[in-house]
Amino acid sequence: AIQMTQSPSSLSASTGDRVTITCRASQGIRSYLAWYQQQPGKAPKLLIYLASSLQSGVPSRFSGSGSGTDFTLTISSLQSEDFGTYYCQQYYSYPRTFGQGTKLEIK
Amino acid sequence: EVQLVESGGGLVQPGGSLRLSCAASGFTFSSYWISWVRQAPGKGLEWVANIKSDGSETYYVDSVKGRFIISRDNAMDSLYLQMNTLRAEDTAVYYCARDQGAAKGDYWGQGTLVTVSS
Repeated sequence: AIQMTQSPSSLSASTGDRVTITCRASQGIRSYLAWYQQQPGKAPKLLIYLASSLQSGVPSRFSGSGSGTDFTLTISSLQSEDFGTYYCQQYYSYPRTFGQGTKLEIK
Repeated sequence: EVQLVESGGGLVQPGGSLRLSCAASGFTFSSYWISWVRQAPGKGLEWVANIKSDGSETYYVDSVKGRFIISRDNAMDSLYLQMNTLRAEDTAVYYCARDQGAAKGDYWGQGTLVTVSS
């Protein structure tokens, strides 16, 4: 199975900050990567698919980039409602695998 | 409005069985791949299985192969997960999630909790 490794595992940032989360695949996955946000007690929410395509209804401050093995999720100007845990997932091959998550706290 | 509603979770003893259901509404269920994704308490997400729109293809994570069976009834707009020979490590909230083409998991249910314990 392809391993997905996210960094950092947690971070704390202030509103207005630019935040970047990285995700590395153990082998090339082309652009078959998604990013999700999960807030406590809620189901995950799809933010980005195909590495850089913004899901409908997701604010434009979220963006994704990368291909092959290295990917990033960027929040251009952090808002208070962006707290939660962020996960990447590859869907290049089965089984689909998630990163371990990045917990984002708002200072 | 697209809705996915899971049910069937509960407390089961190790070695026991449980059948989860996911009722879909607000979209043409028979046109979409659907996945089960689980989350152990305080842990990350784990993709479990998925099934093609017509039920002709299924895929599983290795840890559940031979124990879990994913199926669907398109006439009833429902997805199922038959879980057999349950283990403590299967304890988790189980979500169903829709795939919209390349947008995997564009809609999720609220989850149902499965607890495997004696």
